[in-house]
Amino acid sequence: EPEVTQTPSHQVTQMGQEVILRCVPISNHLYFYWYRQILGQKVEFLVSFYNNEISEKSEIFDDQFSVERPDGSNFTLKIRSTKLEDSAMYFCASSAGGNTIYFGEGSWLTVV
Amino acid sequence: DAKTTQPPSMDCAEGRAANLPCNHSTISGNEYVYWYRQIHSQGPQYIIHGLKNNETNEMASLIITEDRKSSTLILPHATLRDTAVYYCIVRPTQSYNTDKLIFGTGTRLQVFP
Repeated sequence: EPEVTQTPSHQVTQMGQEVILRCVPISNHLYFYWYRQILGQKVEFLVSFYNNEISEKSEIFDDQFSVERPDGSNFTLKIRSTKLEDSAMYFCASSAGGNTIYFGEGSWLTVV
Repeated sequence: DAKTTQPPSMDCAEGRAANLPCNHSTISGNEYVYWYRQIHSQGPQYIIHGLKNNETNEMASLIITEDRKSSTLILPHATLRDTAVYYCIVRPTQSYNTDKLIFGTGTRLQVFP
């Protein structure tokens, strides 16, 4: 069964460092998403991406965040200068559009 | 904000049916009801969705009331591996670029031996 894959599964980084989280969406999907979940809190929407541009972003997705689809398969989330409060599980997701959204297993980011 | 209301927690004995309720009294005619679950900080896993009719797949059944203001997810024979947080989410049927999911706090289902 096709699945969304994410790397790394866990990353520890120092405050102020740049982090790139990588995702390989399901191959025929066209809509891509990043969500995050701070420990013990709700799953929160960050950004949606379609046709090589951001479709929608939440208030969380400020100038420190960026997304990119550098090639035909990867979808990345970059955090330019990490803060302690960026520590969270980050989920990538994809869909074929108007249909079910499928999530990856997540990348756990710890900022120290 | 989430447009659904779910009980914060439920228990179920292994092998019994787990019936998880959800209220979505403000649902619009063009909104589906989706169910996802999250097992211990893993990625949300799609379970089932429906618009008006009851639905069944290999994982669960979804019963939607005639007025569509509430629904019930049924796990017919719960196992210990079904212990998870279950999310009921309403989502427009034909919104493409903005068809994000908005998660609430869900129902924490504990299946016990």
